[in-house]
Amino acid sequence: SQQGEEDPQALSIQEGENATMNCSYKTSINNLQWYRQNSGRGLVHLILIRSNEREKHSGRLRVTLDTSKKSSSLLITASRAADTASYFCATDAEEETSGSRLTFGEGTQLTVNP
Amino acid sequence: DTEVTQTPKHLVMGMTNKKSLKCEQHMGHRAMYWYKQKAKKPPELMFVYSYEKLSINESVPSRFSPECPNSSLLNLHLHALQPEDSALYLCASSHRLWTSQDPDTQYFGPGTRLTVL
Repeated sequence: SQQGEEDPQALSIQEGENATMNCSYKTSINNLQWYRQNSGRGLVHLILIRSNEREKHSGRLRVTLDTSKKSSSLLITASRAADTASYFCATDAEEETSGSRLTFGEGTQLTVNP
Repeated sequence: DTEVTQTPKHLVMGMTNKKSLKCEQHMGHRAMYWYKQKAKKPPELMFVYSYEKLSINESVPSRFSPECPNSSLLNLHLHALQPEDSALYLCASSHRLWTSQDPDTQYFGPGTRLTVL
């Protein structure tokens, strides 16, 4: 199975600044998703980008996908203290034919200081 | 209702105990999942049920036994666990089976924090 890698592992910024997190993966994918997890809680789906898309926006979120480099980035603009959480990318592999098998990256711990 | 619920929130058990984790969703989703997550690590898929049938078992030890009594409920039966099984157990559901044309978003419950003594 593929393994996603994210960088940075941890990111600390001031409120109002932008936060950029990167994700790399190894196999062909159908789509890539970003999830957010507050400490010790469940994951919340943020945004999905299909393999034939290059960029997608949702509110303060901007996701890019470069399938030639097998990488994606998540940009959070005008960050807020409430954005403090762990962010995971997850890939849905192209070769899967039954169920929905997500493989998560290692995650980036974002801390937004007030 | 866009919520996945899990009970209990916390569970402490000894290695000889038998316990069960429960998950419920009323979104009409036909795929349900169990994940295990250790501290500061990503979730790891354990099982996938599609239309109440087990479709994926990621080589999980038999001391973990999943059950899907109906399309809204998912259980995880625990027996003879080891201390290293202590983790956050997450349940998720999604609308339909994955196809190459249809992205499938998973909705997660808040998890059960399991401690094995």
